Amino acid sequence: EVQLLESGGGLVQPGGSLRLSCAASGFTFNSVTFSSYAMTWVRQAPGKGLEWVSAITGSGGTTYYADSVKGRFTISRDNSKNMLYLQMNSLRAEDTALYYCAKEFLSTNYWFDPWGQGTLVTVSS
Amino acid sequence: EIVLTQSPVTLSLSPGERATLSCRASQSVSSYLAWYQQKPGQAPRLLIYDTSNRATGIPARFSGSGSATDFTLTISSLEPEDFAVYYCQQRSNWPLTFGGGTKVEIK
Repeated sequence: EVQLLESGGGLVQPGGSLRLSCAASGFTFNSVTFSSYAMTWVRQAPGKGLEWVSAITGSGGTTYYADSVKGRFTISRDNSKNMLYLQMNSLRAEDTALYYCAKEFLSTNYWFDPWGQGTLVTVSS
Repeated sequence: EIVLTQSPVTLSLSPGERATLSCRASQSVSSYLAWYQQKPGQAPRLLIYDTSNRATGIPARFSGSGSATDFTLTISSLEPEDFAVYYCQQRSNWPLTFGGGTKVEIK
């Protein structure tokens, strides 16, 4: 069973930076590897709905971003370590949210399951 | 950007009743629509993908239908554990987008 564990959230001042990490485990069956799946970051502001943030293909060769974070956030992955990252720069108050990482459900379909439990990012002075 | 509009915002029903949730897209997404369930304090879980395919372990009381711009998630008979918030998501175009959610609450 694949499990995802996010880390790196915290309190940061406006204009600051944070790097989120997502550790993936459980890729031990049928030669299926972490690199076979796209990964994504989705955030949820307190009491609000889901907002897609960014995605990256299995190889890491292609990345996608929501307009709200383009130019400020960078998604990356290290397939040798089964790790996903989100570098967040120039943070704003409206970036305050619980950030989830999620794995593609089936290869190349961009539906996501499972999800981690999230890491909270608070941008405030 | 494709905007997904979910209705109603809140659905008040009793256990055993049928729930019908709607998701409307601002332009055609073909069949590239999914539904997720989120319970309080938990991460979302994939229920339905590609309009009508149930994800692993999802009970048969959950079904999806629709095409192009109009989609429906139906829960045939609500169980106590089904009271939650449901989101639709499209993958037809980048950026990926989610609907605003429908809360299914106990009446």
